[in-house]
Amino acid sequence: DAGVTQSPTHLIKTRGQHVTLRCSPISGHKSVSWYQQVLGQGPQFIFQYYEKEERGRGNFPDRFSARQFPNYSSELNVNALLLGDSALYLCASSLEGVQGYGYTFGSGTRLTVV
Amino acid sequence: EDQVTQSPEALRLQEGESSSLNCSYTVSGLRGLFWYRQDPGKGPEFLFTLYSAGEEKEKERLKATLTKKESFLHITAPKPEDSATYLCAVQVPGGGNKLTFGTGTQLKVEL
Repeated sequence: DAGVTQSPTHLIKTRGQHVTLRCSPISGHKSVSWYQQVLGQGPQFIFQYYEKEERGRGNFPDRFSARQFPNYSSELNVNALLLGDSALYLCASSLEGVQGYGYTFGSGTRLTVV
Repeated sequence: EDQVTQSPEALRLQEGESSSLNCSYTVSGLRGLFWYRQDPGKGPEFLFTLYSAGEEKEKERLKATLTKKESFLHITAPKPEDSATYLCAVQVPGGGNKLTFGTGTQLKVEL
């Protein structure tokens, strides 16, 4: 079975540019969450989507946005990139409402802003 | 605000030398406490979910326990392949499925 798939794996962008990161959840998973992990820190929650609806938003500026498509895949968009946006961006999928089932993370997209 | 604190930040063990990692939490209510393992450059890998004080779960050389204020990840007779960063996260009621993570414990097991 394919796990959570994220693309691209690595990306280098210039300050002020825009970036789109993509995530395909595990087949059958309808919930997708996005996290930002800065080096040496734990992941920080950005968004959760379930059935194409936003279910939660973390403490991130409006430059960050996301959406979920009918096939449950998701995109994370970041506008006006800052140097501080350099991080590993993680996508996690889950079976909503199933107790005891952990969230499965993808391998992430490493974004470097120069 | 929900807080998760992990200690120690880094731990170096000899192969076979058992130890414990700590995760203390301050939350308004606990829906679940999660342990993940993360290898360099990879996403976190799910290990355990604990729901109530007194609960314990085991997987190979790992055992997770939960009290009302903290969780421990016990590593028995570790091997070099257990070297990784171990992350603890909490989920609270009304928070959707948002996870609040600690900063992790970086474990190195040497021969």
